[in-house]
Parts: sequence; C-alpha cells; structure tokens
Amino acid sequence: AQRVTQPEKLLSVFKGAPVELKCNYSYSGSPELFWYVQYSRQRLQLLLRHISRESIKGFTADLNKGETSFHLKKPFAQEEDSAMYYCALTGGVTAGGSYIPTFGRGTSLIVHP
Amino acid sequence: GAVVSQHPSRVICKSGTSVKIECRSLDFQATTMFWYRQFPKQSLMLMATSNEGSKATYEQGVEKDKFLINHASLTLSTLTVTSAHPEDSSFYICSAIAGGGWNEQFFGPGTRLTVL
Repeated sequence: AQRVTQPEKLLSVFKGAPVELKCNYSYSGSPELFWYVQYSRQRLQLLLRHISRESIKGFTADLNKGETSFHLKKPFAQEEDSAMYYCALTGGVTAGGSYIPTFGRGTSLIVHP
Repeated sequence: GAVVSQHPSRVICKSGTSVKIECRSLDFQATTMFWYRQFPKQSLMLMATSNEGSKATYEQGVEKDKFLINHASLTLSTLTVTSAHPEDSSFYICSAIAGGGWNEQFFGPGTRLTVL
C-alpha cells in the first residue's frame, strides 16, 4: 500500500526564516511526487513536482529515494507563503488504468511578520 | 493552467434526499477525474476514480450505491449522494488529470454539503 506521511500539522516561523516541510512516503515502485498548496479560501493547486526539478516561489523539493523523503524547503519564508501544504504521491494503477493519488494529511504553514 | 469547475459551491438539503454535484474540466479533456472528501482540518480522502465511459473505481470503505459517480464525457463527471444523512455533510472536491503522461491534478473549488 502507498502512504504519505507529513509529521507536522502546524509549522510556525517568522518572516525571513528558513522553512522545511517534511514528507515521507511508502511505495514499492517508482512514485511520482508532488507538493500542492492551498491558500486561504482558494482551491488546491500544484506547487511543484519532483520530475520537473523546478523551483516555484522559492520552494524546492528533492526526492531522496534512500530516505523515501520529499521535503519542501525555502530559505527565506515570506508572509504570503502562509497556507496549507499537501505532499502527494501518484503510484499504483487502478483497474481502469488510472494512477492512484495519495495525499498526506497536510501541514499548515504560518509565517509571522 | 487548466480550469476545473464544480457546481454547486454549496448545498443544504434535508435528510433522505439526493444531491448531485457536477465537476467539469473547462478547457481540457480529462482522461481521469477523482472525487475527494475533506473533513475540517484534515487531509483529502480519495473516494473514487472516475474514467470516461467506464465504471468508477471506489476506494475501500466507500459505498458505491451511496455515492453514485457518472463520467458521461471527457469534460464532465457527477457525484450523486443518495439518501443523504447528516454524517454525509462534508466538503467534496473533484480533480481532473489531462493525461499525456503528466499526472498533475487540477482541482475544483469544492462543494460544501450540509445535510439537515
């Protein structure tokens, strides 16, 4: 079974401080990993995915297969980064051929001025 | 980016009635749509995977007769909560995948269902 663990429900930092939101996964094959973000009163949206190895809004995430982790990092947090962050894994295939997504429980990031 | 809409955004109904929620991909064809349920301050719980032209695949513990899913076209999937009860009150979210090798999900804004 595939699983995504986000150990922190809440992460509170001050503006300008470094941020790391932890994500660990469990999957026997080669997963596809994503970070989604949900700002207040907005819908979930993709922040970044591991296969594109990009940096979005200053955030980066590296897939560490040895540690089965995909932690989200930003060197200097901004107030506008305050949001709910979800780590997600797309792994096994359903009978219909679709990939099955699994989400972590989410981490609420609060950046204080 | 691609846009997914949901209708209605909120609905209040009496216990025992049925409620239909629509999920549409507005500017792309969705090979797959997903239906989630989200409880307050909790994660997304995948309910079912919907593929156009075939039966939905339900996750363990989700009653297929209670949560009817119809994926009539590549741009529309509907979730019908049949004989709704107060415990069905929740935030229902759909997402869609465009396909082409990418599994990025585009999310709808969600539907708040309240069953009295």
